[in-house]
Amino acid sequence: AQTVTQSQPEMSVQEAETVTLSCTYDTSESDYYLFWYKQPPSRQMILVIRQEAYKQQNATENRFSVNFQKAAKSFSLKISDSQLGDAAMYFCAYRRRSGGGADGLTFGKGTHLIIQP
Amino acid sequence: KAGVTQTPRYLIKTRGQQVTLSCSPISGHRSVSWYQQTPGQGLQFLFEYFSETQRNKGNFPGRFSGRQFSNSRSEMNVSTLELGDSALYLCASSLDASGTGELFFGEGSRLTVL
Repeated sequence: AQTVTQSQPEMSVQEAETVTLSCTYDTSESDYYLFWYKQPPSRQMILVIRQEAYKQQNATENRFSVNFQKAAKSFSLKISDSQLGDAAMYFCAYRRRSGGGADGLTFGKGTHLIIQP
Repeated sequence: KAGVTQTPRYLIKTRGQQVTLSCSPISGHRSVSWYQQTPGQGLQFLFEYFSETQRNKGNFPGRFSGRQFSNSRSEMNVSTLELGDSALYLCASSLDASGTGELFFGEGSRLTVL
């Protein structure tokens, strides 16, 4: 079974600074997707960024970028120029591609990101 | 464009009862999946439906079931409720079931079992 590990239950960063959230995963598959989701307090979860395993280039979305190390099974999220609105729980997730579709998402336990003004 | 709508938002049940939760996906989305979120176990995949067919199922007992209607709306049912079923139940929709698309989540239904 696939597992996703987020080793940092909580991280704190000063506004405008850069922070990196860690994620490792375990799988024997070669075709899969990786995601970072953000869940603000009492609000719905939204997709931050996604990476397809066969793409070597790291995904970027504005201030958010990932460092995808397939051999090491590592998928960290870097947030540049942190803003107060970035405060949330961040979940790393894995999704195996199977046949014509995909399995459900496997989530890590999450990292609570605190932004200090 | 309306987002994913889940009803009810909050509900309280007692052990042994059953509950039905509803999810209306974003218009045009044909895939609906359900997740359970608890402080102890985190987010766990329950099941996924596409075009009224269950495509995937997580590791939950048979007390947890679901279905999808022709308009893509989905319901999940939990029978013989246990204290451990207290959780936030999240529904997510996507255009298709390929796995490449973004999942759009609802705000969830918070179930408390007493």
